[in-house]
Amino acid sequence: QKEVEQNSGPLSVPEGAIASLNCTYSDRVSQSFFWYRQYSGKSPELIMSIYSNGDKEDGRFTAQLNKASQYVSLLIRDSQPSDSATYLCAVGAGGYQKVTFGTGTKLQVIP
Amino acid sequence: DTAVSQTPKYLVTQMGNDKSIKCEQNLGHDTMYWYKQDSKKFLKIMFSYNNKELIINETVPNRFSPKSPDKAHLNLHINSLELGDSAVYFCASSQETGTGGDYGYTFGSGTRLTVV
Repeated sequence: QKEVEQNSGPLSVPEGAIASLNCTYSDRVSQSFFWYRQYSGKSPELIMSIYSNGDKEDGRFTAQLNKASQYVSLLIRDSQPSDSATYLCAVGAGGYQKVTFGTGTKLQVIP
Repeated sequence: DTAVSQTPKYLVTQMGNDKSIKCEQNLGHDTMYWYKQDSKKFLKIMFSYNNKELIINETVPNRFSPKSPDKAHLNLHINSLELGDSAVYFCASSQETGTGGDYGYTFGSGTRLTVV
């Protein structure tokens, strides 16, 4: 059973702080890793993808991948109230393999 | 111009009824998906089609039948609806089959199905 685990939260951070969201996965052959953001009542939208060990930065977002520890994280710098949402980690084995989603971490940014 | 559109947005129906959800994408993607999101926000794939061909068929009751008349459309028909079918159903498409590649999945706005 391939699993993707996330702490459901809520994770509360003050405005301007760094929010750190974590995800672990069980399938060692996983090759592709994604972070989706889902606002309440809306559909998920992709914010980051990462494939190699290390960090990948895009604006205020940094994805971190450690395949040896089977761990992927998302850092949000200078958190804004508009970042308040559920963040879904998704993991895929590549090729025609499906993506497995975690249950998401709810982030609350307090003004 | 909506990229992935689903209809209807809300669907309230009685147990035992049959209903359909329609999905259309205008992104030119070859692959389309149906996902089910339960009350705990768990997003689980149901089906995936690549250019009208079924490539992923998860363990879903055979009351659920997808149909793809062309690569821009993927519909979901549900027979004999049960209380446990209540959820939000998302259609999605991707440029790259499988994980969606660098651009991931583009999701529709979802259909909230309530079975009473």
